[in-house]
Amino acid sequence: DTAVSQTPKYLVTQMGNDKSIKCEQNLGHDTMYWYKQDSKKFLKIMFSYNNKELIINETVPNRFSPKSPDKAHLNLHINSLELGDSAVYFCASSQGTGPQHFGDGTRLSIL
Amino acid sequence: AQSVTQLDSQVPVFEEAPVELRCNYSSSVSVYLFWYVQYPNQGLQLLLKYLSGSTLVKGINGFEAEFNKSQTSFHLRKPSVHISDTAEYFCAGLNYGGSQGNLIFGKGTKLSVKP
Repeated sequence: DTAVSQTPKYLVTQMGNDKSIKCEQNLGHDTMYWYKQDSKKFLKIMFSYNNKELIINETVPNRFSPKSPDKAHLNLHINSLELGDSAVYFCASSQGTGPQHFGDGTRLSIL
Repeated sequence: AQSVTQLDSQVPVFEEAPVELRCNYSSSVSVYLFWYVQYPNQGLQLLLKYLSGSTLVKGINGFEAEFNKSQTSFHLRKPSVHISDTAEYFCAGLNYGGSQGNLIFGKGTKLSVKP
C-alpha cells in the first residue's frame, strides 16, 4: 500500500502546454506539500496545505496553482509551461511535527 | 535566515569504511531535524529523526546521528558502509509554526561507496 502516491511518474510535454500532477495520501495526515527538486538536486518548498487550506505559498509563479479537494489530495496544475519548469516535483504529507512522507516524484521535462 | 548546511557535496568512501556526513543548522530553524536518503531516480526515504530526548538517534540501515545543540550540528554516521548505501543524503530542519511546517533542506551530500 503506497502511502503517498503521485501521478504521473514521468511527464514530457512542450513549452506553452498546461499540465496537472495528482497526489494522494492514505496516511490520514492533515498537511500536504509540494516540493520542487532542481537539476542540482536542491529541494525547495512550493506550497503547503493544512486541511484543504493554503498555508505556505512560496515565491512560485502564478502559473502554478495547487488545489486540494480534500485533505487526502493535493493536485498541482501548471499553466503555460516553460523550459525552467523542468524538474522533479515531490508531494509529501505529515502530521504535526512528525516526519514528512514523500511520494516517488514526478519528473517533468519540457521540450 | 533559516538554513541547513551540508558541508560536503560529495563523499567518496571504500566499502566497509566508516562515514560521517556533516550537517549544521541555523539557530532559527526548529530543533526538529531529519535525515533523508534518495536513491537514484527514487523519492525521499526517511532515515532518522530528532524531535526531542536522547541526542543520539538511531535510524534504518545502520545509520545514526547525533544532535549537538552547542555546535548546532546533526551529523550522520555509519560505522561500516555497503555499496548499496550509494545515494544522495539530505539533512532537513522543520520550519515549524502553529500546527504545521515545511522542511528546509540542505543541498545534499552524494555518498559514493567504492568496492
